[in-house]
Amino acid sequence: NAGVTQTPKFQVLKTGQSMTLQCAQDMNHEYMSWYRQDPGMGLRLIHYSVGAGITDQGEVPNGYNVSRSTTEDFPLRLLSAAPSQTSVYFCASSIQPGARGSPLHFGNGTRLTVT
Amino acid sequence: DAKTTQPPSMDCAEGRAANLPCNHSTISGNEYVYWYRQIHSQGPQYIIHGLKNNETNEMASLIITEDRKSSTLILPHATLRDTAVYYCIVRPHPFSSGSARQLTFGSGTQLTVLP
Repeated sequence: NAGVTQTPKFQVLKTGQSMTLQCAQDMNHEYMSWYRQDPGMGLRLIHYSVGAGITDQGEVPNGYNVSRSTTEDFPLRLLSAAPSQTSVYFCASSIQPGARGSPLHFGNGTRLTVT
Repeated sequence: DAKTTQPPSMDCAEGRAANLPCNHSTISGNEYVYWYRQIHSQGPQYIIHGLKNNETNEMASLIITEDRKSSTLILPHATLRDTAVYYCIVRPHPFSSGSARQLTFGSGTQLTVLP
């Protein structure tokens, strides 16, 4: 299993450009989520999905869109990039929480700079 | 969701036990305690989780107080490779939409293992 794969690893955008951060998992996990991490800070939840066709907002959803057409993929779209979106983005997945718990599995991140 | 409080930093001598505390005084009965760590610039790594009983795996032990308002992660023989930011979070089961929205990681504890 490759686990959670994020692409690209690095990206530089100009203000106003759009792009999609890709996230794929091969563990048949139902739950997937996107976090952003700013320097010296913890992770904040952007959007999440509890299954194909179902998405919801996290703590900091503004400026981002998501969709979940398959179990495996959960892309994050920046519609009009702003310098405030400069951050490291992590995708995570887990099985649907059950009686024995459901640890999150994280990708290695996408480092985005908006100039 | 229960919020967690952790000390911002701790030091530990190599080969000694590292004891990382976490307060989660508003934890609900259906919330698990999870510990993750993040080594510089990598994605967070799952360590251990528990509900109310103490847990041990190949990486660490988790001690949860009887009232479940606090927990301690124990790395029994810390090595230099254990230097990382350690995050304590609580995650409810079952995983409802309302509870998922605030799944943040906070600032964590920077553990530095000293030679």
